[in-house]
Amino acid sequence: QLQLQESGPGLVKPSETLSLTCTVSGVSISTSSYYWGWIRQPPGKGLEWIGSIYYSASTYYNPSLRSRVTISVDTSKNQFSLKLSSVTAADAAVYFCARVDGSGWYGFEHWGQGTLVTVSS
Amino acid sequence: QTVVTQEPSLTVSPGGTVTLSCASSTGAVTSDNYPSWFQQKPGQAPRPLIYSTNNKHSWTPARFSGSLLGGRPALTLSGVQPEDEADYYCLLYFSGTWVFGGGTKLTVL
Repeated sequence: QLQLQESGPGLVKPSETLSLTCTVSGVSISTSSYYWGWIRQPPGKGLEWIGSIYYSASTYYNPSLRSRVTISVDTSKNQFSLKLSSVTAADAAVYFCARVDGSGWYGFEHWGQGTLVTVSS
Repeated sequence: QTVVTQEPSLTVSPGGTVTLSCASSTGAVTSDNYPSWFQQKPGQAPRPLIYSTNNKHSWTPARFSGSLLGGRPALTLSGVQPEDEADYYCLLYFSGTWVFGGGTKLTVL
């Protein structure tokens, strides 16, 4: 059964880099049919797609975050990761990882439970 | 940058029918935008309901249906239950990127 689990520091200082990892279990991250994505949700606000990565490391990013975001994949650990640099209070959010159908047809079918990241000195 | 707009809030009576919609700043939405819908309750991850306009996941209750109405994706709930009170988000695909709508808060009253 597919499971996705986010992990990483729950507190990041302003101007520093936020780093999160999503561990995938139940399926190989190298499966050619899927992308793997990050989504965030600030407290009390809506969802925002951050970016997606293919197992080959091909990436797509939200244009509004592109200059600060790096998504990478580690197939040996069946994980993919998010780095967001120069964080501010506006980056405080629950961060979700998800599996994305490579064709787009099935969309974002499976999600992790999310992890809360606070930005504070 | 593309903006996807949803009704901020809607209210429906139990047993009633309600339609939620979303609109793209780029114009008419088509099946090529793979419209999908999610339900989110407080403290939970979004739960996928509809993919590619009108397809239900295996766990999606029959009372939920998706469609395209005049170039706008729509989510219809028929025979609304109290447990359907939640936030609902649409999601659209644009050439490699995805954009969420701002969400609709559905109140069952």
